Amino acid sequence: EAQVTQNPRYLITVTGKKLTVTCSQNMNHEYMSWYRQDPGLGLRQIYYSMNVEVTDKGDVPEGYKVSRKEKRNFPLILESPSPNQTSLYFCASLRGGGTGELFFGEGSRLTVL
Amino acid sequence: AQSVTQLGSHVSVSEGALVLLRCNYSSSVPPYLFWYVQYPNQGLQLLLKYTSAATLVKGINGFEAEFKKSETSFHLTKPSAHMSDAAEYFCAVSGRTGGFKTIFGAGTRLFVKA
Repeated sequence: EAQVTQNPRYLITVTGKKLTVTCSQNMNHEYMSWYRQDPGLGLRQIYYSMNVEVTDKGDVPEGYKVSRKEKRNFPLILESPSPNQTSLYFCASLRGGGTGELFFGEGSRLTVL
Repeated sequence: AQSVTQLGSHVSVSEGALVLLRCNYSSSVPPYLFWYVQYPNQGLQLLLKYTSAATLVKGINGFEAEFKKSETSFHLTKPSAHMSDAAEYFCAVSGRTGGFKTIFGAGTRLFVKA
């Protein structure tokens, strides 16, 4: 089954404790992206990766890092989480063929105390 | 630059009534337009998309949307609402170049009353 898998789905942590949210896709997609969803703001792009060689900032990259060492994985790293990073996070990959369709993971709800 | 405006953060309809969710976009290039649906505790899934073929696009679960360039709109409709349609709906726009960056609207939560 084609899917994007994120872990963990739910996480409560404390300010300053480094954490990583993993993302893996099994569709051999080149492009992957991270979004955060906040009430009234929709989804905002944090980082994206065109392929394993190209990674770039989205609209709200502050406080986040990513890596793309292999095509299927695109982890999101919060080096020193702060309460304003409490949010719902989604990883997505882009269907090939130029249609622009995104496939989303089920989301990771993060709370930073 | 691209942007998306969804009119109404909440829409409430009765079961069997027409569903109309409004979306207006701004794009300096011919856009791809999308509607995604998010059910509780789930990720977003594609409902339908416009990629420059027919302006009236049919999607899953009886939804459709019409691309109107003159009005820069892409409103989502369904003739008869069902309880299972209760969800949050996001309109989105992406360009055809530049990495297909997708811009999302703020979302519209649809409530369906019995």
